[in-house]
Amino acid sequence: EAQVTQNPRYLITVTGKKLTVTCSQNMNHEYMSWYRQDPGLGLRQIYYSMNVEVTDKGDVPEGYKVSRKEKRNFPLILESPSPNQTSLYFCASSRTPINYGYTFGSGTRLTVV
Amino acid sequence: AQSVTQLGSHVSVSEGALVLLRCNYSSSVPPYLFWYVQYPNQGLQLLLKYTTGATLVKGINGFEAEFKKSETSFHLTKPSAHMSDAAEYFCAVSGGNSGYALNFGKGTSLLVTP
Repeated sequence: EAQVTQNPRYLITVTGKKLTVTCSQNMNHEYMSWYRQDPGLGLRQIYYSMNVEVTDKGDVPEGYKVSRKEKRNFPLILESPSPNQTSLYFCASSRTPINYGYTFGSGTRLTVV
Repeated sequence: AQSVTQLGSHVSVSEGALVLLRCNYSSSVPPYLFWYVQYPNQGLQLLLKYTTGATLVKGINGFEAEFKKSETSFHLTKPSAHMSDAAEYFCAVSGGNSGYALNFGKGTSLLVTP
């Protein structure tokens, strides 16, 4: 089944403790992206990647890092999480976003206390 | 930059009634437009998209949307609402300076009452 898989689904952590949210897709898509969803703000793009070793900032990149060492994986790294990063995170992939839109994962609900 | 505005954060309809969710876009180049649906505790699922060609676009679950350039709109409709349509709906735009991003609206929560 074609899908984007994120782990974990739920995560509670403490301020300053580094964490990684994993994302993997099995559709051989070149484009991958991370979004965060907050009430009343919709979805905002954090980072995106056009191919292996090619990444760029989205609208809200502060406090996040990404890497794209393999085509299928696009982990999101929070080096020093803060409470304002409490949110619902979505990973997405696409053949070509402008034409096809994105296929989204099921989400990771992160709480930073 | 491309952007979308969804009018109404909450819409309530009766089962069997027409569903109309409004989306207006702002774009300096021909836009590519999308509607996504999000069911509780799930990711976003593509309902339909407009890229080029026919301006009336049909999607899954009986939804359709019409691209109206003169009105800069891409409203989502369904003739008869089902209880299972209750969800959050997002309009999005891509193209031009947004590069590889989809710029989403803030969403409309659809409530369907018996």
